[in-house]
Amino acid sequence: NAGVTQTPKFQVLKTGQSMTLQCAQDMNHEYMSWYRQDPGMGLRLIHYSVGAGITDQGEVPNGYNVSRSTTEDFPLRLLSAAPSQTSVYFCASSFRPGQGNNEQFFGPGTRLTVL
Amino acid sequence: GDSVTQMEGPVTLSEEAFLTINCTYTATGYPSLFWYVQYPGEGLQLLLKATKADDKGSNKGFEATYRKETTSFHLEKGSVQVSDSAVYFCALLSGSARQLTFGSGTQLTVLP
Repeated sequence: NAGVTQTPKFQVLKTGQSMTLQCAQDMNHEYMSWYRQDPGMGLRLIHYSVGAGITDQGEVPNGYNVSRSTTEDFPLRLLSAAPSQTSVYFCASSFRPGQGNNEQFFGPGTRLTVL
Repeated sequence: GDSVTQMEGPVTLSEEAFLTINCTYTATGYPSLFWYVQYPGEGLQLLLKATKADDKGSNKGFEATYRKETTSFHLEKGSVQVSDSAVYFCALLSGSARQLTFGSGTQLTVLP
């Protein structure tokens, strides 16, 4: 199993540009999430999905869109990048509560800089 | 809402020293508690967990006990190694929530 994979690893954007961060998992997990990690603030939830076709907002959803057309993939879209979106982005997946052991598996992260 | 408060870092220790990283939480119901570790340039990995009061999670010499009376889940290790240098995150998953709530993380550096 590859686990949770993310692409790209690094990205530099100019203000106003759009891009999509890719996330895929091969563990047949229903739950998938996107977090951003900023110094001194831990990880904050952006959006999450409890299954294909179902998404919901987390703590900091503004400026980001998601969709979940398949169980495996959960892309994160930045519609118009802003310097405040400079961060490290992590994708995670898990089984639903009651299945498995509640462990979330994380991807290696995407380091995004917006100039 | 749910929240996790972690001991602020950075923490610098000499090899073989005793480590404690404090973690307290606020949550509804009876949450599951976790410690995740992030090594430089990598994603987060689950270090240990506890799902009910008085449970002790342990892994790689690290331990943490779920203390409901003090709403705490402090991470301890008796003798740290240089390879333990990383950022440690305390997190919880409450019964009504579907995603983790994280603390701010504690940077640990172990010197030889």
